[in-house]
Amino acid sequence: DQQVKQNSPSLSVQEGRISILNCDYTNSMFDYFLWYKKYPAEGPTFLISISSIKDKNEDGRFTVFLNKSAKHLSLHIVPSQPGDSAVYFCAAYNTDKLIFGTGTRLQVFP
Amino acid sequence: ETGVTQSPTHLIKTRGQQVTLRCSSQSGHNTVSWYQQALGQGPQFIFQYYREEENGRGNFPPRFSGLQFPNYSSELNVNALELDDSALYLCASSFDRGLSTEAFFGQGTRLTVV
Repeated sequence: DQQVKQNSPSLSVQEGRISILNCDYTNSMFDYFLWYKKYPAEGPTFLISISSIKDKNEDGRFTVFLNKSAKHLSLHIVPSQPGDSAVYFCAAYNTDKLIFGTGTRLQVFP
Repeated sequence: ETGVTQSPTHLIKTRGQQVTLRCSSQSGHNTVSWYQQALGQGPQFIFQYYREEENGRGNFPPRFSGLQFPNYSSELNVNALELDDSALYLCASSFDRGLSTEAFFGQGTRLTVV
């Protein structure tokens, strides 16, 4: 049972445009969500997080939106840069562990 | 710099063998979590060690075991390797069982079982 789902395995965006990565979850008890970025041959790197008491959190070019009623969150990257090309994982924090989605590979082209 | 290091970076083992993977946690962190990332999947939680004791386990069989040492470094041991154990194994260190939430990951160990 996949409790955290990323239904788009890949996304291609032109440099300067907005990238929107989506994530759905099934467990309404989840109350903290994180996004990680992963480059090849490296471990995941924390990007941004959001608590369920908020519906938006912003950090520079990165904004995460949370829709609790829809059990959906999204990561917006504006403007997208070639260095953003990586695999992005959505994760829910649940009793001392992270539950990850399957990832979305973002490619930002010039 | 995350400060979390894993060794070895790559490993090839034969089915039925045993393997030990190592992780040095970031300075000041007392918690290590291990994850398995199969090809095309997200990382799956194996178990967590907090102050040298297991503190939570995912859906992995007992042949996956671990240790945490007084300096908070950790080992993951897998016995009777199976082909499906081929994956990237990630360790993440955090402070106080990850309540700070932003765990720092190592670069992983790529295990191939043939």
